[in-house]
Amino acid sequence: GAGVSQSPRYKVAKRGQDVALRCDPISGHVSLFWYQQALGQGPEFLTYFQNEAQLDKSGLPSDRFFAERPEGSVSTLKIQRTQQEDSAVYLCASIGGPGTGELFFGEGSRLTVL
Amino acid sequence: AQKITQTQPGMFVQEKEAVTLDCTYDTSDPSYGLFWYKQPSSGEMIFLIYQGSYDQQNATEGRYSLNFQKARKSANLVISASQLGDSAMYFCAMNTGGFKTIFGAGTRLFVKA
Repeated sequence: GAGVSQSPRYKVAKRGQDVALRCDPISGHVSLFWYQQALGQGPEFLTYFQNEAQLDKSGLPSDRFFAERPEGSVSTLKIQRTQQEDSAVYLCASIGGPGTGELFFGEGSRLTVL
Repeated sequence: AQKITQTQPGMFVQEKEAVTLDCTYDTSDPSYGLFWYKQPSSGEMIFLIYQGSYDQQNATEGRYSLNFQKARKSANLVISASQLGDSAMYFCAMNTGGFKTIFGAGTRLFVKA
């Protein structure tokens, strides 16, 4: 596609529910990132894929967070047993290849946990 | 440890004037890249400008320039001739030795008519 696409744009979940957030990167982009952005804060790194391989998941805050990219294109971030502190905007970004490392971001998925 | 520090939570600038947004960084890696991104109220992060650690000259992109002072580990963004549409959050960011990018806390810029 023309840009990074994320869905849903908005998600309201009750505490304890599982949620899945989808990211469709720019076609052909090899590297894909997930960030968590709390209100009024900068994005915090969660995890990074190169093709289907998850090369860095050091930023995932707990084992309730899980990300996958099985075919090296679309990625899903799953949060199990959501907690109120999980409320944030989840940003997906991709990079095409060698270069400066400029990130192309989607519009984000805003998660609100009640 | 790698870190980005933006000390200005909010800045005001008069339309058509220039403004400087501060950024300092910390890394022990000799090779790194510095970025500025803009985030309007719509939420999407927009890349503005890039500076490599080995670049000899300061980066410029239209009305944006990056004042890179390597010895001081600073990478300030200068926006010339501010426009009302420049009102947004601005984030300084860095990557080292790969593509993992870390961000600062951001500066909210308000442009006054």
